[in-house]
Amino acid sequence: AQSVSQHNHHVILSEAASLELGCNYSYGGTVNLFWYVQYPGQHLQLLLKYFSGDPLVKGIKGFEAEFIKSKFSFNLRKPSVQWSDTAEYFCAVTNTGFQKLVFGTGTRLLVSP
Amino acid sequence: KAGVTQTPRYLIKTRGQQVTLSCSPISGHRSVSWYQQTPGQGLQFLFEYFSETQRNKGNFPGRFSGRQFSNSRSEMNVSTLELGDSALYLCASSEASGTVGETQYFGPGTRLLVL
Repeated sequence: AQSVSQHNHHVILSEAASLELGCNYSYGGTVNLFWYVQYPGQHLQLLLKYFSGDPLVKGIKGFEAEFIKSKFSFNLRKPSVQWSDTAEYFCAVTNTGFQKLVFGTGTRLLVSP
Repeated sequence: KAGVTQTPRYLIKTRGQQVTLSCSPISGHRSVSWYQQTPGQGLQFLFEYFSETQRNKGNFPGRFSGRQFSNSRSEMNVSTLELGDSALYLCASSEASGTVGETQYFGPGTRLLVL
């Protein structure tokens, strides 16, 4: 069965620190990969996604992620976090052509000013 | 365009009751998916509807059901509520145009508390 692992459940950083959140998935076949973010009191919203082409994808608010097929990984990065990045981050995967998103357990990021 | 809307936003029910939640997708979106979010299990896929037909289903008991109307609006129903059904229920819509890597857009959710 498909599964997604996010290794860090809670991350605390100071402003301007670099961020990397790990995501590994278990699935054979063609996948689409997503990072969603949930700011306090707000909807889940898409940060970025990968479905084909350049494995380094750039998203909103300075986030990027790299798809490494051989490692089944899709790690999220940001060179310098801000207090406003405090949120919960979810990695998700789906098969091409299907709408069923399988989510990781999420990583709560707290950025201290 | 208006985003995905869900009603009601909050709901309190007692065990054994049933509940119906509603979702209006973004205009022009034809696929609606439902997810359950709990602290223990995280975000789990319930089902997806497209053209008034259930196209995908997650691993939830038959007490969880849904439907989609001709205008793409969707409802989900939970019968014989249990304490463990307390959760945030999220609806997501997508164009379902067949584009690879299509994005699902999420609503604010309905928070259900079962007492």
